[in-house]
Amino acid sequence: DGGITQSPKYLFRKEGQNVTLSCEQNLNHDAMYWYRQDPGQGLRLIYYSQIVNDFQKGDIAEGYSVSREKKESFPLTVTSAQKNPTAFYLCASSSMTGEPQHFGDGTRLSIL
Amino acid sequence: QQPVQSPQAVILREGEDAVINCSSSKALYSVHWYRQKHGEAPVFLMILLKGGEQKGHEKISASFNEKKQQSSLYLTASQLSYSGTYFCGTESLSGTYKYIFGTGTRLKVLA
Repeated sequence: DGGITQSPKYLFRKEGQNVTLSCEQNLNHDAMYWYRQDPGQGLRLIYYSQIVNDFQKGDIAEGYSVSREKKESFPLTVTSAQKNPTAFYLCASSSMTGEPQHFGDGTRLSIL
Repeated sequence: QQPVQSPQAVILREGEDAVINCSSSKALYSVHWYRQKHGEAPVFLMILLKGGEQKGHEKISASFNEKKQQSSLYLTASQLSYSGTYFCGTESLSGTYKYIFGTGTRLKVLA
C-alpha cells in the first residue's frame, strides 16, 4: 500500500547536536511538507517542496534545513541553532500544492 | 496569519450536532478539513474549492463562503469516533503558494 513513512518514531537530541528526521513516500507525489506541532497547538509549516531539488521556507524555518534530492524523500535536519526543538514533527505529501495532504505518523523529538 | 477556528473546544453527547467555523483574514482559493486523533497524524476529510460550495462525507458536511473568507464544518448526529481535533487548512489567493492550518477545535463526544 502507498503511504508516507517517517522515522524514527521517537528521537532524543543532545545539546549542540544536529539530528535528521526521515520522510519517505511512495505515493508518487510531487509536493512534500514538514510541520511542527507543539502540545495542544496547531500545525506550523517549516519547509515545503513542490519539485525535486527545490524547496521553500515556511513560517518557522529558522534552525531547520531540508533537502529534496529524490522525489520520494524529504529529510528534515534539526540543527543546534534550533533552541527549542522539542515537538511532534509531521511530514506530509500531496500530488501537487493545493491538493489534500497525506500525513506520516510523525516523529516525537525531545531534548536530553 | 493563522485562520481562526471557533469554538476552541466543544463537548457533545452522542447524537448531538456541532458546527466548527474557520475564518481567514486573506482571500481564499480553497479550504481543506482534517481530523486528528490524539497522538496521531491528521486525516483528510474534505476539500472545498468554490465559493458557496457545500460538500458532505457521511454525516459530516462543510460549506465555504468565499466572500466572507469563511468555512464551516457540520457534524450531524455525532458519534464517539468523531472525537479529536479538527483543523481547517487554507490556501490563499496570493502570487506564491501559501497554505496555513487553522488554530484547531477540540471536539469530545461523550456516550
